[in-house]
Formats: sequence, structure tokens, C-alpha cells
Amino acid sequence: ETGVTQSPTHLIKTRGQQVTLRCSSQSGHNTVSWYQQALGQGPQFIFQYYREEENGRGNFPPRFSGLQFPNYSSELNVNALELDDSALYLCASSSPLDRSRSEQYFGPGTRLTVT
Amino acid sequence: AQSVSQHNHHVILSEAASLELGCNYSYGGTVNLFWYVQYPGQHLQLLLKYFSGDPLVKGIKGFEAEFIKSKFSFNLRKPSVQWSDTAEYFCAASGYSSASKIIFGSGTRLSIRP
Repeated sequence: ETGVTQSPTHLIKTRGQQVTLRCSSQSGHNTVSWYQQALGQGPQFIFQYYREEENGRGNFPPRFSGLQFPNYSSELNVNALELDDSALYLCASSSPLDRSRSEQYFGPGTRLTVT
Repeated sequence: AQSVSQHNHHVILSEAASLELGCNYSYGGTVNLFWYVQYPGQHLQLLLKYFSGDPLVKGIKGFEAEFIKSKFSFNLRKPSVQWSDTAEYFCAASGYSSASKIIFGSGTRLSIRP
């Protein structure tokens, strides 16, 4: 069983640029959630995708957007990068069997630095 | 508002000491509760989870947690810590109806002196 993978592992961008982060969900999982973990903080929910549709969003501006593909992999896009966007971005996937109680499996994250 | 509070930001213990990390939550309705661990350089891993039933839940690596509904608490315990328990610990909660959105506490850094 393949776990959750994310790419790239590290990324350095300049303020104002755009970035795309990628996530492959664990085999058999059709729900993907994205979280932002700033240094010294707990992860904060950005949004979730279920069967290619956004299914819930946290308190993040519209310049944070996402996609989910038919194979359940997902992308997180951030436009007009700001210095405060520097963080570890985590992807988590979960099983379709009981979404209301399903455990989420986290990937290793992508470390984004905005200069 | 939904929230999870961890009151200990940094805990330092000697090996073999007992551990208790506090966690309080504020969540309307039925709640699922979790403890995650993040070892240095590694990704988040689930230590244990509570969905329903016995309020004392046992997890991996000798950890356990007790759900006390009247106190809105879900404290993590381990009777004897090891140096390898050095990590960041996150308490988290999700609601039954939108369970896939997990709300995390700010984390507790645990340092174990050999």
C-alpha cells in the first residue's frame, strides 16, 4: 500500500509569484485535505476535495485554490505569494468507507519559503 | 467557535518520568478526538483516536489518552517516557458531521533528557 506522497519537498519562491504543490493520495482514498503549518504552529485546514469537488474550506483567501483529478491526486495553487505564506503544506487523504469518522493519513509535506 | 487548546508549549522530562500533556477542546455536537506526533524530520503520525465507547483509549508506543466529556479534555499520558519520544505532539478534533476537517492545537514540544 503506497502512502501519501507530496512534491516537491522544498520550494523557494519570490513574493508575488505563483506556486503549485502536488499530492498523491494513499491507494483507495478519494478524499484529500490540505493544511498549512506555519513554524511553531499546528496545521490549519485550507480545504478538502472529495470526488473532484471542493468539500469544505477553512479561513484562507481565494488566492488559495485547488484541484482534484480523477485518480484522486490533488494540487494546491497559491497565487500572489506573500511572505506569510511561508510554511509547511501538508496533504492528507482518507478512506471512502466512512468519511464521517475516517482517519486521515498525512504526507511528508512541502516546505515553501517565500522571499 | 471550534478550537483546541494545548496549554504546555514545551515540556522537558528525564527518561523514565511519567508524561501527561493537556488538551481541551471547544466543539459543538459529537466530537472525534486525536493525538498526532511529529518526530524531528518526519511527517505527522496518528498516535491514537477517540470516536466513541470506552473513554480511555490506547495508542501506539505505550501512549494512552482519556476523554473526559464534562471537562472537555483529552489528555495524553505515558507512564515512562524514553529519549525516542522527543517530538512535537498535537491534539486535534473533528466533528461527526464534517469529520474530515481536523482542527489542531498549537502543539507541545516534548524534550527528553537521556
